[in-house]
Amino acid sequence: DIQMTQSPASLSASLGETVSIECLASEGISNDLAWYQQKSGKSPQLLIYAASRLQDGVPSRFSGSGSGTRYSLKISGMQPEDEADYFCQQSYKYPWTFGGGTKLELK
Amino acid sequence: QVQLKESGPGLVQPSQTLSLTCTVSGFSLTSYSVHWVRQHSGKSLEWMGRMWSDGDTSYNSAFTSRLSISRDTSKSQVFLKMNSLQTEDTGTYYCARIGPYTYYGYNPPFDYWGQGVMVTVSS
Repeated sequence: DIQMTQSPASLSASLGETVSIECLASEGISNDLAWYQQKSGKSPQLLIYAASRLQDGVPSRFSGSGSGTRYSLKISGMQPEDEADYFCQQSYKYPWTFGGGTKLELK
Repeated sequence: QVQLKESGPGLVQPSQTLSLTCTVSGFSLTSYSVHWVRQHSGKSLEWMGRMWSDGDTSYNSAFTSRLSISRDTSKSQVFLKMNSLQTEDTGTYYCARIGPYTYYGYNPPFDYWGQGVMVTVSS
């Protein structure tokens, strides 16, 4: 199975601060990577697919980048509504696997 | 409007069988595949398996031999059955749809998720 190592496990950001979350795959996944946001008590929502493509309706302060085994999600200007858990997920090879998640809080 | 909704028992006894239903609307099961994903309370997500649009299935080998996914297209429902439940199977179970290949490309992401159903395995 492809292991997705996500870091950090948690972070705290001030309003307007830029934050980055990283995912490291145990092998190359050819940009078959998505990022999801999960707010408390809710189901995950798609933010980014194909490593860097923004899902319709998602604010442009969210962006994704990376290649090979290293991928990142950036939030350019933390907003209160961005408080949530974030997960990466690879769809390159079965079984599809997720990162362990990052809890983002507003400082 | 695309919707998925999970239903099933909230409490299952150890060694018993879990049966969940995912009822979908706004799209056809013969055009889109539906997956099952579970989330432990400690937040990690785990892919369980999928029902392909052609009726075929794929499973995570971690669940092989105790997991079965089926469907009833006339009722727009996908079913999950998992036997020999243990306390570590406690968690929230989601069904999720894979987005259209024509829009997302070769390996589309989960574009819609159900609200999830919480399952506790306990005597």
